[in-house]
Amino acid sequence: DAGITQSPRHKVTETGTPVTLRCHQTENHRYMYWYRQDPGHGLRLIHYSYGVKDTDKGEVSDGYSVSRSKTEDFLLTLESATSSQTSVYFCATQGNTGELFFGEGSRLTVL
Amino acid sequence: RKEVEQDPGPFNVPEGATVAFNCTYSNSASQSFFWYRQDCRKEPKLLMSVYSSGNEDGRFTAQLNRASQYISLLIRDSKLSDSATYLCVVNSGFGNEKLTFGTGTRLTIIP
Repeated sequence: DAGITQSPRHKVTETGTPVTLRCHQTENHRYMYWYRQDPGHGLRLIHYSYGVKDTDKGEVSDGYSVSRSKTEDFLLTLESATSSQTSVYFCATQGNTGELFFGEGSRLTVL
Repeated sequence: RKEVEQDPGPFNVPEGATVAFNCTYSNSASQSFFWYRQDCRKEPKLLMSVYSSGNEDGRFTAQLNRASQYISLLIRDSKLSDSATYLCVVNSGFGNEKLTFGTGTRLTIIP
């Protein structure tokens, strides 16, 4: 399995507070992704990165920002969390054959 | 119409039976197709890619029908360990930012 770790794994926060989720990989994969998964929806792409300092928006990027200062780390920030951002967040990297490897997920609850 | 549609199930199937489910996609320009497996409260993992000529991996067979725009997954001799949600994934472009995930089909194998 690809070495992808997410932190924190669980977080409960209040509306209006900032939240940062971290994704760390040990595979030296170039491409990294942040998805959210909600009931009734497939995984939806928030932001992705194709290299250090190279990022772009996905399908549901409003309210989120990302940063990638090192190959191994991809941070997702909610500047001011809202209840609609309660979700399970998955980080993924792309392997050499195009396969996506996912982290274990971060469960975020915004009260 | 959703870009990728799956029957959510649940499919409750006795152990040893054969089960099949389909996934339809709307973009005729879609380039590549995958089945991922997701266990309850876990991350998705690649089950198999779907090739134009169809492909088989042990008890699992995946097929693509471009004319009717669907992919299928067949599981033979089902095992209890096959219980999971199966996600259909379609890539409508040449990068993983174009990946669209279905909402998944839930399969439960009954002893």
